[in-house]
Amino acid sequence: DVKVTQSSRYLVKRTGEKVFLECVQDMDHENMFWYRQDPGLGLRLIYFSYDVKMKEKGDIPEGYSVSREKKERFSLILESASTNQTSMYLCASSPRLAGMDNEQFFGPGTRLTVL
Amino acid sequence: DQQVKQNSPSLSVQEGRISILNCDYTNSMFDYFLWYKKYPAEGPTFLISISSIKDKNEDGRFTVFLNKSAKHLSLHIVPSQPGDSAVYFCAASAGGTSYGKLTFGQGTILTVHP
Repeated sequence: DVKVTQSSRYLVKRTGEKVFLECVQDMDHENMFWYRQDPGLGLRLIYFSYDVKMKEKGDIPEGYSVSREKKERFSLILESASTNQTSMYLCASSPRLAGMDNEQFFGPGTRLTVL
Repeated sequence: DQQVKQNSPSLSVQEGRISILNCDYTNSMFDYFLWYKKYPAEGPTFLISISSIKDKNEDGRFTVFLNKSAKHLSLHIVPSQPGDSAVYFCAASAGGTSYGKLTFGQGTILTVHP
């Protein structure tokens, strides 16, 4: 059973703080993703990684960075949190497959509030 | 630009009736489509998918239809149950070297009334 865990379910931070969101998957997946979910905007891809130490920008990378030092762990970093980064953050992973089956497995999400 | 669109923010249906959720896309490179279901305070879970070589895929009460010429897909739930009440996202993938990257729609909130 695939399991994706995120370090916190709820987080409250102050403007300007550095914030770390951690994600761990236990299925040896090559691909990992960070999304944010906002009402009316759906899930928007922030960054993804297809291998250790590899990272690619998604659709909304501004204000974020990521780190993937180990295959099972993918961290999202907000260098200086701002109120417009208040959101639900979702991590996902998927195996690297030769075919088209790109199902992603999601963690429970972290609700981040920046005051 | 929004490459995957779900134009109905919400849908309300009576238990036992059919729920139809719609999704449109603009990128002709998309060749694989998925539906996810999300309950509050949980991550999305995979529901059903369809490849562009098919026009229909069924799994129990859930059927997804794909109309490539119209760049439109729909999810049918028959019969609808109160436990189906959730947010439904459609997603699309371009395959190839996309590294499994998915593009999601805005979501549709489905409410099934007992």
